[in-house]
Amino acid sequence: DAGVTQSPTHLIKTRGQQVTLRCSPKSGHDTVSWYQQALGQGPQFIFQYYEEEERQRGNFPDRFSGHQFPNYSSELNVNALLLGDSALYLCASSLAIAGVETQYFGPGTRLLVL
Amino acid sequence: AQKVTQAQTEISVVEKEDVTLDCVYETRDTTYYLFWYKQPPSGELVFLIRRNSFDEQNEISGRYSWNFQKSTSSFNFTITASQVVDSAVYFCALSDAPSGTYKYIFGTGTRLKVLA
Repeated sequence: DAGVTQSPTHLIKTRGQQVTLRCSPKSGHDTVSWYQQALGQGPQFIFQYYEEEERQRGNFPDRFSGHQFPNYSSELNVNALLLGDSALYLCASSLAIAGVETQYFGPGTRLLVL
Repeated sequence: AQKVTQAQTEISVVEKEDVTLDCVYETRDTTYYLFWYKQPPSGELVFLIRRNSFDEQNEISGRYSWNFQKSTSSFNFTITASQVVDSAVYFCALSDAPSGTYKYIFGTGTRLKVLA
């Protein structure tokens, strides 16, 4: 049973560029959440996708956008990259049963913006 | 507003010592969930435990145990007879999904170093 997978594992971009990160959820899960983790900090919630719609969004600018596909996989897009966007981007998948869910995380994508 | 505080930034212990990682949370909701995750150097967050706000029974899983006390808004994690493989950053998180908020609020983590 494959867990949450993310690609790529590492990425180097320059300021102003755009980046797309990908996530495949754990088998049987229908919800994908994205988090940004800066060095030495805890993960910060970016947004969550359910039924191909953005269900909730954290305190991130519109430069951060996403998409969920019919097979539940998801993409995170970041436009006009800033140096401060350098971080580990974590994807988590979950399946709510009777309103209860646990998010399972992938290995992350390490983004470095130069 | 929800908040999770892990006051211990870094803890170092010698192998076989017991160690407790502290977690204090804030929420106005009566129904919520608390979690602990382990993050080894590889970066992946590994789920350890989920606890709901109505169940204050302590839980033990092998060398791991958790103490949930609503009266002090704490959810502490103890590792008994620590091992070098326990070295990682540990995160406590809060979710009040039953009220319609799906995000997890994480603390800043505690880095545990277990020395041989």
